[in-house]
Amino acid sequence: ETGVTQSPTHLIKTRGQQVTLRCSSQSGHNTVSWYQQALGQGPQFIFQYYREEENGRGNFPPRFSGLQFPNYSSELNVNALELDDSALYLCASSQELQGNYGYTFGSGTRLTVV
Amino acid sequence: KQEVTQIPAALSVPEGENLVLNCSFTDSAIYNLQWFRQDPGKGLTSLLLIQSSQREQTSGRLNASLDKSSGRSTLYIAASQPGDSATYLCAVRDGGFKTIFGAGTRLFVKA
Repeated sequence: ETGVTQSPTHLIKTRGQQVTLRCSSQSGHNTVSWYQQALGQGPQFIFQYYREEENGRGNFPPRFSGLQFPNYSSELNVNALELDDSALYLCASSQELQGNYGYTFGSGTRLTVV
Repeated sequence: KQEVTQIPAALSVPEGENLVLNCSFTDSAIYNLQWFRQDPGKGLTSLLLIQSSQREQTSGRLNASLDKSSGRSTLYIAASQPGDSATYLCAVRDGGFKTIFGAGTRLFVKA
């Protein structure tokens, strides 16, 4: 059974640019959630996807958007990058939408905006 | 609005000590609570998952308890080792779609 994989592992972008981060969910998982983790803080919920639809969203502006594909992999897109977007972006997959299953996390993408 | 608090924020102990990390949450209507470990700059590794109907879970030297009515969970680490040094995060899955995290406890075990 493969785990959650994220790409790229590190990324440096310039303020104002756009970025796409990718996530492959664990085999058998159909739900993907994205989190932003700033240095020294706990992960903050961005949004969740279930069966290719956004199922819920945290307190993030519309320039944060996402997709989920039929194979349950997912992308996080961030437009008009700001310096404060620099963080570790984590993807987590789970087996079902509202079940009692826990999350499996990927290793994250470290985004630096300069 | 669910809020998760972890105490202490940081902890330094000598090798071999037993220790307890605390997590509290404000809304007892949860599906489950999960403890994670995070090494510097890395992703999260799941340690223990406690369902809302359970009181505790054990894995090796780790034991996690859950008291929903008081909004508390503890992670007990027995016979700590330098390899246990990491940040430990508590996360609560509420009745909706979100999992809410605490800020974590940074643990340093001295050899």
